[in-house]
Amino acid sequence: DTAVSQTPKYLVTQMGNDKSIKCEQNLGHDTMYWYKQDSKKFLKIMFSYNNKELIINETVPNRFSPKSPDKAHLNLHINSLELGDSAVYFCASSQTLAEIYNEQFFGPGTRLTVL
Amino acid sequence: GQNIDQPTEMTATEGAIVQINCTYQTSGFNGLFWYQQHAGEAPTFLSYNVLDGLEEKGRFSSFLSRSKGYSYLLLKELQMKDSASYLCAVMDSNYQLIWGAGTKLIIKP
Repeated sequence: DTAVSQTPKYLVTQMGNDKSIKCEQNLGHDTMYWYKQDSKKFLKIMFSYNNKELIINETVPNRFSPKSPDKAHLNLHINSLELGDSAVYFCASSQTLAEIYNEQFFGPGTRLTVL
Repeated sequence: GQNIDQPTEMTATEGAIVQINCTYQTSGFNGLFWYQQHAGEAPTFLSYNVLDGLEEKGRFSSFLSRSKGYSYLLLKELQMKDSASYLCAVMDSNYQLIWGAGTKLIIKP
């Protein structure tokens, strides 16, 4: 009965490769997010999707692209991987965006290591 | 700019009480969240404050003062399993969560 799931849990790859991380939520939520947590443990929002529309796009390199085939899925594609992309990537979801009490539920994270 | 400040690390003894402080400066305010994150795991929700005052939930309580831009998380009767990072996050006027770097809490027997 996993609420928010991500695959893979670990991803090790070479510089320059292209990779994808998948995320699915079975909570019926309208909004999904991608976060990057670096070695200093800061959680930085990368993208959020509300009803299949990109509504927040922070200053993230265009090598990163979110893709949402439906409301329950938000996948993250990364092209031309760089060493600095090594981090833990968390997917999250919430009931909706523009609502004050808006608890976010996180997936287990994907630890990406770029060699 | 937007800023969330928390101590980097704190140490406390099993059975004791610890208070983790958070100060914030954000563009607008739509509530403050506390999350717990064990090493290697995802953050999990602990509490939410949008009005001034204390919210109590079992061994954990969270306090908010909007005029001071200040919150604290109070953990009572500490247990070894409380060893984790505690993340403070503020929802700004765009309903975006701004996260602090987290406070690593170490519990000693």
